[in-house]
Amino acid sequence: KQEVTQIPAALSVPEGENLVLNCSFTDSAIYNLQWFRQDPGKGLTSLLLIQSSQREQTSGRLNASLDKSSGRSTLYIAASQPGDSATYLCAVSGGTTDSWGKLQFGAGTQVVVTP
Amino acid sequence: NAGVTQTPKFQVLKTGQSMTLQCAQDMNHNSMYWYRQDPGMGLRLIYYSASEGTTDKGEVPNGYNVSRLNKREFSLRLESAAPSQTSVYFCASRGQGNQPQHFGDGTRLSIL
Repeated sequence: KQEVTQIPAALSVPEGENLVLNCSFTDSAIYNLQWFRQDPGKGLTSLLLIQSSQREQTSGRLNASLDKSSGRSTLYIAASQPGDSATYLCAVSGGTTDSWGKLQFGAGTQVVVTP
Repeated sequence: NAGVTQTPKFQVLKTGQSMTLQCAQDMNHNSMYWYRQDPGMGLRLIYYSASEGTTDKGEVPNGYNVSRLNKREFSLRLESAAPSQTSVYFCASRGQGNQPQHFGDGTRLSIL
């Protein structure tokens, strides 16, 4: 059974520092990996999706890497801002036809960026 | 651009009552999903529908039923609510291929 772990559960950084969020998974047979942002009382917003054949994806200040063989992904957020304060979740999609789209989530990392 | 719309946003039930959570998407997506989110845990898949007319169980289906009414709508029903079903419920949809899932804002359900 796939297990997804995010460490740390929470972190606080001063504005301007780079954020590094970690995600690990136990089964390397994945279809894709997604990073989401969740604001308090809100739904999830997709940030980046990395296909299993890719090593990284970038969008603006965000960069996500994927190392399938070691079961790890890292989300980098450059030059953090107070508006980046949120919970960040990673999720993996299974590698078999009947498990595509069925996401297995980590518990998330709660981020606070202090002015 | 409504995306994924869930109703109601909040609901309080008594143990044993029934209710249906509604979800609709306007992105012409084939696949739709229901998740629950509990404190300190990630989201867990309850049921999903890969396409109109099909539904399948996810990780935690006990106590729930679903209906894929048409391509747009996917409802989740609690037949006899239990306190353990107190949670935040999220609906999501996804297009074809390697596309991200789009989430609604959730329904916060309390069962007394």
